[in-house]
Amino acid sequence: DTGVSQDPRHKITKRGQNVTFRCDPISEHNRLYWYRQTLGQGPEFLTYFQNEAQLEKSRLLSDRFSAERPKGSFSTLEIQRTEQGDSAMYLCASSSPGREREKLFFGSGTQLSVL
Amino acid sequence: AQSVTQPDIHITVSEGASLELRCNYSYGATPYLFWYVQSPGQGLQLLLKYFSGDTLVQGIKGFEAEFKRSQSSFNLRKPSVHWSDAAEYFCASSPGAGSYQLTFGKGTKLSVIP
Repeated sequence: DTGVSQDPRHKITKRGQNVTFRCDPISEHNRLYWYRQTLGQGPEFLTYFQNEAQLEKSRLLSDRFSAERPKGSFSTLEIQRTEQGDSAMYLCASSSPGREREKLFFGSGTQLSVL
Repeated sequence: AQSVTQPDIHITVSEGASLELRCNYSYGATPYLFWYVQSPGQGLQLLLKYFSGDTLVQGIKGFEAEFKRSQSSFNLRKPSVHWSDAAEYFCASSPGAGSYQLTFGKGTKLSVIP
């Protein structure tokens, strides 16, 4: 169990630029989640994949955001035309099928700063 | 819609003292309830969860939590705090079986005085 890994750890970008984050879940986990956490707040749900299918998207995920999980393994989250309000910690989590599916394992996150 | 409230933004306790972190949930039925801990630079780690059954649940690192339906609460407790427990603690809920969406509270930051 190598844990959930996210890359990069930190990203600084200028407003209007596009950014892409990567998440590698725990290998046998078929469920993958993206959350966003802003300062002083708890994580907020963004989207969820079961294998390669994106089954749910939050209303927080505007049309500038897109997430993929092409082969049911790693996932990417892209933000187009970044805005200062996008500055946040982006967290990825995964869980296994079966009885422990509600137990989420989180990565350390990608901290995005939009200047 | 679900909501989770953690009334205390910041709590400071002395090492060795007991700890109770409060959590209240708002949901029509009994949700699944969780406590996560987040240390600086670390991902959130699950401490314990409640689905049904015994209302007192034991977790890792000596933590326990008690579900009280009448108070819509799921408070986290530890009898003796260690300096390494200093972190941010999040209570979370989900609607139940098959759900994949957690609703988190805003968190309680715990400081421990040596």
